[in-house]
Formats: sequence, C-alpha cells, structure tokens
Amino acid sequence: DAGVTQSPTHLIKTRGQQVTLRCSPKSGHDTVSWYQQALGQGPQFIFQYYEEEERQRGNFPDRFSGHQFPNYSSELNVNALLLGDSALYLCASSFFLSNQPQHFGDGTRLSIL
Amino acid sequence: AQKVTQAQTEISVVEKEDVTLDCVYETRDTTYYLFWYKQPPSGELVFLIRRNSFDEQNEISGRYSWNFQKSTSSFNFTITASQVVDSAVYFCALSEVSGAGSYQLTFGKGTKLSVIP
Repeated sequence: DAGVTQSPTHLIKTRGQQVTLRCSPKSGHDTVSWYQQALGQGPQFIFQYYEEEERQRGNFPDRFSGHQFPNYSSELNVNALLLGDSALYLCASSFFLSNQPQHFGDGTRLSIL
Repeated sequence: AQKVTQAQTEISVVEKEDVTLDCVYETRDTTYYLFWYKQPPSGELVFLIRRNSFDEQNEISGRYSWNFQKSTSSFNFTITASQVVDSAVYFCALSEVSGAGSYQLTFGKGTKLSVIP
C-alpha cells in the first residue's frame, strides 16, 4: 500500500523562474493538501484540493496555484520565484468523507538561488 | 485566528530519561482537534495522535503519553525512557472540526529533541 509520494525530492531554481511539484496521494485518498515549511519553522497551509477544485486556501499569494487530476494526484505551481520561496513543500492526503488524520509525504526541498 | 506555541525550541536528554514537550494553543472555536506529529530527518511528518476538544482524557501509547488540559489550553507530550530513535522534531498542531476532510492544520514551530546515548 503506497503512501504519499512526492517528486522531485530536491529542486534548485533561480529567482523569477517557475516550478511545478507533484504529489500522488495514498491509495484510497481523494483529498490533497499542500504545506510550505521554511527552515526551522512549522508547516504552513497553502491550499487543499478535492474533486479537482481548490476547497480552502491559506495566506499565500496568487503566485501559488495548484491542480488536481481525475486520478486524485496533484500539482503545486509557483510562478516568479522569490528567494523566500526556498522551503520544504509537503503534500498530505486524506479521504474527504472520513475526517481522518492527513498522511504526509517526504516533501520536495526547493532551493532558490 | 488559531495559534500554536511550542516554547521549547530544542531539548537534549540522555537516553532513558523522561522528557515532556509543551504545547499551548489559542482558538475561538468551541470544537477543534489537537495533533502531535514527529518529523525525522527524512522530512516526512509522522502522525502520532489526534484528540477532540471534547475528550480531555489523557492517553498512553507505549512510552508515549499525552496530557490535554482545556483549562490551560495545553496539550503536552511526554516520552518515558527516551531512546535515540526518538530524536526528531516534534510538532503540535490544531485544526477546526469542519466538514469531513476539509480541515487545515495550524502548526507550532516545533521542538527539536535530541536523545544522547
């Protein structure tokens, strides 16, 4: 039973570029949430997707956008990258109707030069 | 707005010592969930426990125990007889109790626990 998988593991970009991060939820899960974790900080909620729609959004600018596909996998896109976007990006999945705890992936480490 | 405070940034203990990680939260919601997650160096957040705000019973799971006190808005985590494998960053988190699956987690800044052999 595969858990939450994220790709890539590490990524290096320069300021102004665009990046796409990918997440496959745990088998049986239909909801994906994205979190940003800066170094030495706790994760911060970016947004959540269910039924291919953004359901909730945290306090992040429009440069952060996402998508969910019919197979429940999800992408996080960040445009016009800033140095401050350097962080570990975590994906969490859950089953919308169960209200059970979210399961997290290992994250993607994004470094902006 | 919700807020979680973990005042202990780093703690070091010698193996087999007991250690308590503190968590204080703020919320205007009358019903909410509290969580503890463990984050080893690999980065994955490992779920440890979830408590509903209506359930103030303390819980024990092996060497782990949790003390939830609504009167002081605290949800502390104790590891008994610590082991080197307990070394990690531990996060306390809070969420509203809303529609199924739609909750978002508010995390504290974490406490880095180092268990020295």
